[in-house]
Amino acid sequence: KNQVEQSPQSLIILEGKNCTLQCNYTVSPFSNLRWYKQDTGRGPVSLTIMTFSENTKSNGRYTATLDADTKQSSLHITASQLSDSASYICVVSDRGSTLGRLYFGRGTQLTVWP
Amino acid sequence: EADIYQTPRYLVIGTGKKITLECSQTMGHDKMYWYQQDPGMELHLIHYSYGVNSTEKGDLSSESTVSRIRTEHFPLTLESARPSHTSQYLCASSERGQGGSPLHFGNGTRLTVT
Repeated sequence: KNQVEQSPQSLIILEGKNCTLQCNYTVSPFSNLRWYKQDTGRGPVSLTIMTFSENTKSNGRYTATLDADTKQSSLHITASQLSDSASYICVVSDRGSTLGRLYFGRGTQLTVWP
Repeated sequence: EADIYQTPRYLVIGTGKKITLECSQTMGHDKMYWYQQDPGMELHLIHYSYGVNSTEKGDLSSESTVSRIRTEHFPLTLESARPSHTSQYLCASSERGQGGSPLHFGNGTRLTVT
C-alpha cells in the first residue's frame, strides 16, 4: 500500500533553534517528493520539490534531503523564526500514470516559541 | 503568492441546504482540483478537472459535484448538506498534471453543517 508517514506529529522549538522533520514513504514507483508549508487557516504553499536524482534542495532557511534508496526525506529548518510555526506536509508523486497521483502525509505541526 | 481565490472562507449552514463553494484562479491553469482536509489528517482529492467541460471524481468518494464551464472557475456544489460534510475544502490548480508541477492552493472554505 502506498503511504507517506511523517514524524514527529508535532514539535515545539525555541526561536533561533534548528529542527529536522522526517518523511518516510512506500510509494512506488516514485516520481518526485515535495514539501509544503501550511499556515493556520491558509492553503499549503510549496517549499521544495525533488526528483529521484536529487539528494538535496534548499529554499532559504529550508533544506530538504532525499534518500531514494531508503525512501526517506527530511526537511531541515535553520535558525527558526516565529513565522515558521505551521504544518509541514510531505507529498509524494508516483509515475504510474501521466497524471501522477499524489500521496499526502498528515503533516508535522511545528510551533516556534519566542 | 498564487492567484487562486476561494469564497466563502467560512460557512455555517443547516442540514439539507444546498451550497456552492466558489473557486477562481487567474493563472490560466487548465488543471484544477478540490481537496478535503480534516484536522490532523491528510488531504484527500475529491474532484479534478483537466480543462473546460472535463471533470472527474477523485480518490475520496464525495456527494458533491463540480462543473468547469470556464477555465478560471471551478465551483463545488453540495445539493443537500449533512453534518458529515463538515470539513475544510481546498481548491488548487497546477500548470501541468498534479504529479508534474506544484499545486497552487487557495486558502480554503471551512464548512460547518449543523
